[in-house]
Amino acid sequence: ETGVTQTPRHLVMGMTNKKSLKCEQHLGHNAMYWYKQSAKKPLELMFVYNFKEQTENNSVPSRFSPECPNSSHLFLHLHTLQPEDSALYLCASSQDPSGGSGELFFGEGSRLTVL
Amino acid sequence: DQQVKQNSPSLSVQEGRISILNCDYTNSMFDYFLWYKKYPAEGPTFLISISSIKDKNEDGRFTVFLNKSAKHLSLHIVPSQPGDSAVYFCAASARGSNYQLIWGAGTKLIIKP
Repeated sequence: ETGVTQTPRHLVMGMTNKKSLKCEQHLGHNAMYWYKQSAKKPLELMFVYNFKEQTENNSVPSRFSPECPNSSHLFLHLHTLQPEDSALYLCASSQDPSGGSGELFFGEGSRLTVL
Repeated sequence: DQQVKQNSPSLSVQEGRISILNCDYTNSMFDYFLWYKKYPAEGPTFLISISSIKDKNEDGRFTVFLNKSAKHLSLHIVPSQPGDSAVYFCAASARGSNYQLIWGAGTKLIIKP
């Protein structure tokens, strides 16, 4: 059982669709993150949840809606996306974001293509 | 403006030789630096880190050097092995920013047999 699991691994959706990305961590961590990775660009932090509370939203458009029902699960709800939203979406977890080492454990990512 | 820069998009090194990956940063408040490695179709995995109170940290074949005055860090891999072929990301954080790791764009390392 891998530490951080993301589903689906690949997703193709139209601009009017509604879909969700799911992340589950089995590491007992308290913080979970959504990152976006576009080709040849740095990873962009989207959302941070610490003990199920959203503590960071890096000016992400409202067409991305996160949900964290508990400290082990994280969702990213997608609605009315644009083609430029096509990217690899990475989920990560860490033991504790406050004053920690910063070491993140990543899932394998969900490759999203918006047509 | 990117605070963490990896100016080489790719690097090709002969197997057995030393690989040196470079990273520059602009924010003097950064006090913790990390290197992550990413294979295709996988998420990044933590490789090695260094605190700003040190100038060198070594773990097996991997050594990270930090030059605070130049705002530069480098990752040395010696000897390079075919399994080291991957994309390497440099990341930095500042005390008080907690989870806000700032990432470089990555360098693709290719180890030639």
